Amino acid sequence: TQLLEQSPQFLSIQEGENLTVYCNSSSVFSSLQWYRQEPGEGPVLLVTVVTGGEVKKLKRLTFQFGDARKDSSLHITAAQPGDTGLYLCAGAVTSGTYKYIFGTGTRLKVLA
Amino acid sequence: KAGVTQTPRYLIKTRGQQVTLSCSPISGHRSVSWYQQTPGQGLQFLFEYFSETQRNKGNFPGRFSGRQFSNSRSEMNVSTLELGDSALYLCASSSVGRGDIMNTEAFFGQGTRLTVV
Repeated sequence: TQLLEQSPQFLSIQEGENLTVYCNSSSVFSSLQWYRQEPGEGPVLLVTVVTGGEVKKLKRLTFQFGDARKDSSLHITAAQPGDTGLYLCAGAVTSGTYKYIFGTGTRLKVLA
Repeated sequence: KAGVTQTPRYLIKTRGQQVTLSCSPISGHRSVSWYQQTPGQGLQFLFEYFSETQRNKGNFPGRFSGRQFSNSRSEMNVSTLELGDSALYLCASSSVGRGDIMNTEAFFGQGTRLTVV
């Protein structure tokens, strides 16, 4: 069974601080996605990383896919209250089946 | 274009009852996936339908079932409800063909919050 563990589970920081969220697995994924979910809403896709070692930037957010495609990280620079939400990673399973396995989630709160 | 629409948004049922949830995907999307989200277990995959066929299934009991219609709209049914079925049920649609999942974006609806009492 493929599992994606995210750490930390909860994070409360002050506006302007930097943070990193980790997504780890013992399984190899064909690709990995990061989503953000706000209260009362469904998750919204932030980025997809496909190649081992790939780094993608989205404004203040930097996403990295591990060389072995088993882990990923999300780094936020100068966090803002608008970054508050539940961050989910999702790994694509393509051997025998086609689906995404979601991580356990990191709940981020950025205080003004 | 319109996003993914799930109905109803909120639902309260009693143990032993059954429930049907509905999902209208984005126009042109043929793949619909269902997920259960709870604070303790996170987002767990239920099943996925593509062109009216169940293509993938998660590890849920047979009480959870679904179907997809020719217009890609999908329904999920849970029979003999248990307290532990209380959760946010999310539907996601995508345009993916079978071999294109790697770069597929799933568009989620707002979910149906089911409370079993």
